[in-house]
Amino acid sequence: GENVEQHPSTLSVQEGDSAVIKCTYSDSASNYFPWYKQELGKRPQLIIDIRSNVGEKKDQRIAVTLNKTAKHFSLHITETQPEDSAVYFCAARDNAGNMLTFGGGTRLMVKP
Amino acid sequence: KAGVTQTPRYLIKTRGQQVTLSCSPISGHRSVSWYQQTPGQGLQFLFEYFSETQRNKGNFPGRFSGRQFSNSRSEMNVSTLELGDSALYLCASSLDISGELFFGEGSRLTVL
Repeated sequence: GENVEQHPSTLSVQEGDSAVIKCTYSDSASNYFPWYKQELGKRPQLIIDIRSNVGEKKDQRIAVTLNKTAKHFSLHITETQPEDSAVYFCAARDNAGNMLTFGGGTRLMVKP
Repeated sequence: KAGVTQTPRYLIKTRGQQVTLSCSPISGHRSVSWYQQTPGQGLQFLFEYFSETQRNKGNFPGRFSGRQFSNSRSEMNVSTLELGDSALYLCASSLDISGELFFGEGSRLTVL
């Protein structure tokens, strides 16, 4: 089955700096890679996703890059703000609609 | 449109008891997935249902079971509870097997 590894497990940045979270996956058939944000005491919510037919996708301060050859994808947050503080999860799924496998999560802390 | 609803939100059980958790998906969503979330363990996949059929099952013992009804509502059951079953159980629904997951607030189970 799919295995998704996520690094780092914790990340502390100063407000205004950039943050990068990286994930690797094992199943070359995976072609859907979402990122979820979970604020303290709240439900995970999708913030951005990418499919394997593109290498990069941006949405305001958030971007995701995908390298299918190396089987890794990354989340980039620019101009971080205190409200970006949360746990971020990456995930991967194949086209057969098999289960979404999540990484272990990254706790991002943005210091004012 | 109402979001994913999970009941109960909080519950306390003792070892050896059983528990049933309920999930009502977003109207029109036919796929329901269950995840266990514990500190440091991320989101562990339990099972996924689509049109009343279990499509995928995670690596959990047989004490964990689930089902989906014709109206897409789902329940999961844990029998012979153990201390290690204490966790937040998250339900997520999606339109189909490859769609975005929308999570509920979760049911927080404490086993004493």
